[in-house]
Amino acid sequence: DIVMTQSPDSLTVSLGERATFNCKSSQNLLYRSNNKEYLAWYQQKPGQPPRLLIYWASTRDSGVPDRFSGSGSGTDFTLTIDNLQAEDVAVYYCHQYFNTPYTFGQGTKLEIK
Amino acid sequence: QVQLVESGGDVVKPGGSLRLSCAGSGFLFSDYYMSWIRQAPGEGLEWVSYINGTGSFTSYADSVKGRFTISRDNAKNSLYLEMNSLTAEDTAVYYCARGVPGGHYFQYWGQGTLVTVSA
Repeated sequence: DIVMTQSPDSLTVSLGERATFNCKSSQNLLYRSNNKEYLAWYQQKPGQPPRLLIYWASTRDSGVPDRFSGSGSGTDFTLTIDNLQAEDVAVYYCHQYFNTPYTFGQGTKLEIK
Repeated sequence: QVQLVESGGDVVKPGGSLRLSCAGSGFLFSDYYMSWIRQAPGEGLEWVSYINGTGSFTSYADSVKGRFTISRDNAKNSLYLEMNSLTAEDTAVYYCARGVPGGHYFQYWGQGTLVTVSA
């Protein structure tokens, strides 16, 4: 199974600043035949289902503010939130869909300083 | 707009069975892979199972293989999860989620249904 490890476990950032989330996979997530990274990011607020933010490692889903960006390749990936807003408080998960069993990172909890 | 609505969650005794349902609307149901993902109280996300658009192919997490069965009825725009031999470790909110053609990331999620396994 592909193990997804996120860091840090929690993050405290001031409003208007940048938040950076890291995700490391135990296997390369690049599928060479289409040159795509099989990595997604989700945001989950308390009492709500997860919301897709980023897929193919760097493509924002429809309606996601451009403050959110994804980067990385191979085994190391990053989610960045610029100009942090109060409504960004949530747990953020990375997810590999390269092969089954699909796996998620343990999550990073974002709080406002 | 795309909607997914789960139902069927309940309190069940260890060793018991339960059937979850997920009703989809706002999209051509038969065109999409569908998955079940669960989240134990206070814990992270765990993918459980997926099924292809026709229902001819399924895949399961090792933790549920042999106990859970995923199925779908495209005529009713519905996804199901039959759960048997339930244990306390199966206690979780169960979400259904829709994939996209060519990529099994989860673009749309239901609100979830709570399954509690307790004596």
